Amino acid sequence: EVQLVESGGGLVQPGGSLRLSCAASGFSFSRYWMSWVRQAPGKGPEWVANIKEDGSQNNYVDSVKGRFTISRDNAKNSLFLQMNSLRAEDTAVYYCAREEVWGQGTLVSVFS
Amino acid sequence: DIQMTQSPSTLSASVGDRVTITCRASQSISSWLAWYQQKPGKAPKPLIYKASNLESGVPSRFSGSGSGTEFSLTISSLQPDDFATYYCQHYNSNFGGGTKVEIK
Repeated sequence: EVQLVESGGGLVQPGGSLRLSCAASGFSFSRYWMSWVRQAPGKGPEWVANIKEDGSQNNYVDSVKGRFTISRDNAKNSLFLQMNSLRAEDTAVYYCAREEVWGQGTLVSVFS
Repeated sequence: DIQMTQSPSTLSASVGDRVTITCRASQSISSWLAWYQQKPGKAPKPLIYKASNLESGVPSRFSGSGSGTEFSLTISSLQPDDFATYYCQHYNSNFGGGTKVEIK
């Protein structure tokens, strides 16, 4: 069974940083593009970033370019999202995703 | 970036109606599309994967079709549990803006 388990969310002040992690199991992690998706309170889901199977290519939504970095460790079946210069509008539940399969999410709250 | 456009944004329908939601990609995405259902306070639930494949446990009244740039989600006979918001997504990329299915 495909499982994606996120961790690393929490409360942070504007301008702060967080690193999200996702532990993947039940499939050949290194064979899939992976992504992060978020959903802010009362809003629709928003794709944030994706990364190629071997980590050689990644893409970001414009609003996080230059602030967020997606990475992966295929040896450890893990996906990461380094989030710097956080803003109030980054407050959301963040999900690790493999195509249409998502984890349970981790809450990131940015407040002053 | 490939943009996903969903229509309509709101749909009013009655129990038993056949409803269709459309999703258009700004360029071809083959069949790399998923559909989700979301109810208030819950995470989106996948209904359809690779454009036309029903997720396990999803009622057969749901169906997906299309490829390339034009896709649709059809509910053959709307049930009370189906009143929700529906989203399409290009795999590992952008979502459509959502369609709220409400009671007429």
